[in-house]
Amino acid sequence: GDSVTQMEGPVTLSEEAFLTINCTYTATGYPSLFWYVQYPGEGLQLLLKATKADDKGSNKGFEATYRKETTSFHLEKGSVQVSDSAVYFCALSALGGGSQGNLIFGKGTKLSVKP
Amino acid sequence: DSGVTQTPKHLITATGQRVTLRCSPRSGDLSVYWYQQSLDQGLQFLIQYYNGEERAKGNILERFSAQQFPDLHSELNLSSLELGDSALYFCASSFRTGGINEQYFGPGTRLTVT
Repeated sequence: GDSVTQMEGPVTLSEEAFLTINCTYTATGYPSLFWYVQYPGEGLQLLLKATKADDKGSNKGFEATYRKETTSFHLEKGSVQVSDSAVYFCALSALGGGSQGNLIFGKGTKLSVKP
Repeated sequence: DSGVTQTPKHLITATGQRVTLRCSPRSGDLSVYWYQQSLDQGLQFLIQYYNGEERAKGNILERFSAQQFPDLHSELNLSSLELGDSALYFCASSFRTGGINEQYFGPGTRLTVT
């Protein structure tokens, strides 16, 4: 079945460092891909999305490109801030087999940014 | 604020009991999804309703059930609770079902079974 694999955390960076969180997926067809962020004690917030191959999603300085050939959707940010400390989830929107767009999540990557 | 509300925020109950979690979707959204977040299983899809009808089921136990009412709010019922049911339960809403489908999450209900 469909699945998402993302890099294990935690990831600890200094402020202004470059961030990459790897995400790869296995899916039937061409699912939509998402990154969600969960701040401590809160629900999930949609960070960015991409709906077809070569699409680049971007928001708040974060970017991710839908790569069909490598089945990847890596999250990047050029200069992280302390306020970016959170857990980041890669997800795909399941298609087919009776699915109705429910999300399949990776296990999450905890990011801590130190001043 | 996503516009999705969930009550209660916290729930503590004993094994064997039954609880009901409530979710109100964003205004205009017809689809409600329920997810469970636990340390060992991560985030898992439980069940989806669209405009009052069940549309998809994920890893939902037989002890769990849900429904969506005419005003589109949804309730998740958990019965014969076990210690392993302790988790964060999220609902999410979206306008449509299937396809390109942005989902907006509520703040969650933290269930503790003692």
